[in-house]
Amino acid sequence: DIVMTQSPDSLAVSLGERATINCKSSQSVFYSSNNKNYLAWYQHKPGQPPKLLIYWAITRESGVPDRFSGSGSGTDFTLTIGSLQAEDVAVYYCQQYYRTPWTFGQGTKVEIK
Amino acid sequence: QVQLVESGGGLVKPGGSLRLSCAASGFTLSDHYMSWVRQAPGKGLEWLLYITGSGGAIYDADSVRGRFTISRDNAKNSLYLQINSLRAEDTAVYYCARERTEESRYFDVWGRGTLVTVSS
Repeated sequence: DIVMTQSPDSLAVSLGERATINCKSSQSVFYSSNNKNYLAWYQHKPGQPPKLLIYWAITRESGVPDRFSGSGSGTDFTLTIGSLQAEDVAVYYCQQYYRTPWTFGQGTKVEIK
Repeated sequence: QVQLVESGGGLVKPGGSLRLSCAASGFTLSDHYMSWVRQAPGKGLEWLLYITGSGGAIYDADSVRGRFTISRDNAKNSLYLQINSLRAEDTAVYYCARERTEESRYFDVWGRGTLVTVSS
């Protein structure tokens, strides 16, 4: 199985400041035949379903604010919240869909400092 | 409006069984692979199984193989999860989730989840 490891487990950021979450996969999730990384990011708030933010490691889902961006390739990925807003308080997960079983990172809790 | 609504959760004794349902609306269920994902209290997300659009192929995680069965009724636009031999560690919120396409296997639509509690 591909193990996804996120860091940090939690972080507190001031409103308007940048939040950066890292995700590392135990093997590459890059598929050279189509030049894509099979990596998604989700936002999960209490009592709500997870929400897709980013797919193919870098593509923002429709309707997601542009302060959310994804980067990285191969085994190392980053989700950046450019200017943290109060409504961004949540747990964020990365997920690989390169090979079954699909696996998630353990989650990173983002709070306001 | 694209929507998934789970039902069927509840309190069940260890060793018991439960059948969860997921009703889809706003899209054609048979056009999509579908998965079940769960979240135990205080834990992260765990993918469990998926089923293809036609229901012809299923893949399940090692942790649930032999006890969990996924099925679908495209005519009813519904997805199901049969859970047998329930254990305390199966206590979780169970989500059904839509995979965007056969090539793009990330989850673009999620239900709000149904809580399963296994306790004597």
